[in-house]
Amino acid sequence: DVKVTQSSRYLVKRTGEKVFLECVQDMDHENMFWYRQDPGLGLRLIYFSYDVKMKEKGDIPEGYSVSREKKERFSLILESASTNQTSMYLCASRFSAGLTGELFFGEGSRLTVL
Amino acid sequence: DQQVKQNSPSLSVQEGRISILNCDYTNSMFDYFLWYKKYPAEGPTFLISISSIKDKNEDGRFTVFLNKSAKHLSLHIVPSQPGDSAVYFCAATSGTYKYIFGTGTRLKVLA
Repeated sequence: DVKVTQSSRYLVKRTGEKVFLECVQDMDHENMFWYRQDPGLGLRLIYFSYDVKMKEKGDIPEGYSVSREKKERFSLILESASTNQTSMYLCASRFSAGLTGELFFGEGSRLTVL
Repeated sequence: DQQVKQNSPSLSVQEGRISILNCDYTNSMFDYFLWYKKYPAEGPTFLISISSIKDKNEDGRFTVFLNKSAKHLSLHIVPSQPGDSAVYFCAATSGTYKYIFGTGTRLKVLA
């Protein structure tokens, strides 16, 4: 079974703090994603990585950056957390072959910024 | 501009009956559609998908129907069980990395 593991399930941070959200997948997937989920807005793509050191901005990249130094690991960074970044963050991965196919999600990281 | 819409925020169904969740899309370039189920405090789990070359795909109690002319897809769950109570998201993609998700429908199956 594909396993996508997010390092922290729940985090509480202060405004202005730097926040790291880590994601690891164990199925050798080329593609990895970071989404945020907010009530009434569904899942919105923050960043996508199609391979090591490769990234593309999603629909809402402002205030976020990412790092993919190893194939299995994709990190989301909030350089200076703000209250409007309070959300559920979801990491996902998939094989790139065929460019379709299901996304496998982690369990999510609920971030609260005070 | 919401390209994928789930117009019903919630749905209640009696156990054993059919649950029908609907999803509309606007982008005719979408060629692959997926349904995910999400329990509170968990990540979404994949349920079923359909390619635009088909109009129906079935997996056990779950069937997805695609009506391309109406740009509409639906998920049927028969029979519904209390464990199906969750939020259901539909998603669409056009063969790129962009999966566009709907806002979700909360299904409650009443015992």
